[in-house]
Amino acid sequence: GQNIDQPTEMTATEGAIVQINCTYQTSGFNGLFWYQQHAGEAPTFLSYNVLDGLEEKGRFSSFLSRSKGYSYLLLKELQMKDSASYLCAPQGAGGSYIPTFGRGTSLIVHP
Amino acid sequence: DTGVSQDPRHKITKRGQNVTFRCDPISEHNRLYWYRQTLGQGPEFLTYFQNEAQLEKSRLLSDRFSAERPKGSFSTLEIQRTEQGDSAMYLCASSLDFSGARTDTQYFGPGTRLTVL
Repeated sequence: GQNIDQPTEMTATEGAIVQINCTYQTSGFNGLFWYQQHAGEAPTFLSYNVLDGLEEKGRFSSFLSRSKGYSYLLLKELQMKDSASYLCAPQGAGGSYIPTFGRGTSLIVHP
Repeated sequence: DTGVSQDPRHKITKRGQNVTFRCDPISEHNRLYWYRQTLGQGPEFLTYFQNEAQLEKSRLLSDRFSAERPKGSFSTLEIQRTEQGDSAMYLCASSLDFSGARTDTQYFGPGTRLTVL
């Protein structure tokens, strides 16, 4: 089975930096996705990590440590529109490689 | 490319009725997934298709749920004899799996919100 742990809610100030952590235990592992989901909308793809290390993409970066079962999403220069839920989704290694989604971290950005 | 579309966007039904949802994936995508999401939870996998073949179903998927993708393009998800516990957002996603690549990114549709009274 899969066990995914990420904080339920975080708050941050506009312009600041926030790090959303995710730990996981999976039966096999291939990679890890991060998705953003605004209230009432569908999830949208942010990043995918398969190797250890940091992947940077504009204001968003994602880190993976396969040996520790740990990932984080780093958001810089926060904007109000970044208020959303952030879903950590590790991908199993067997069969279809379908990711399993965590319950998400609700990020609230305030002025 | 218009993205993944789902119809209807909202459905209210009475307990015991049957409902059917439709998903149109991104045109060149060969994989199609169905998820269910309730408030405060992440999407929960239900089933997926590779072209027209249904390759995997969640063990959580009741016999009342059935999905089809008859021509490898659009898909339908039917729920028979709906129960109040079926109330949720039903999300469809599609991806392109080429050369057996493992990194196919899923693109989600806007979802169908089902309310069972």
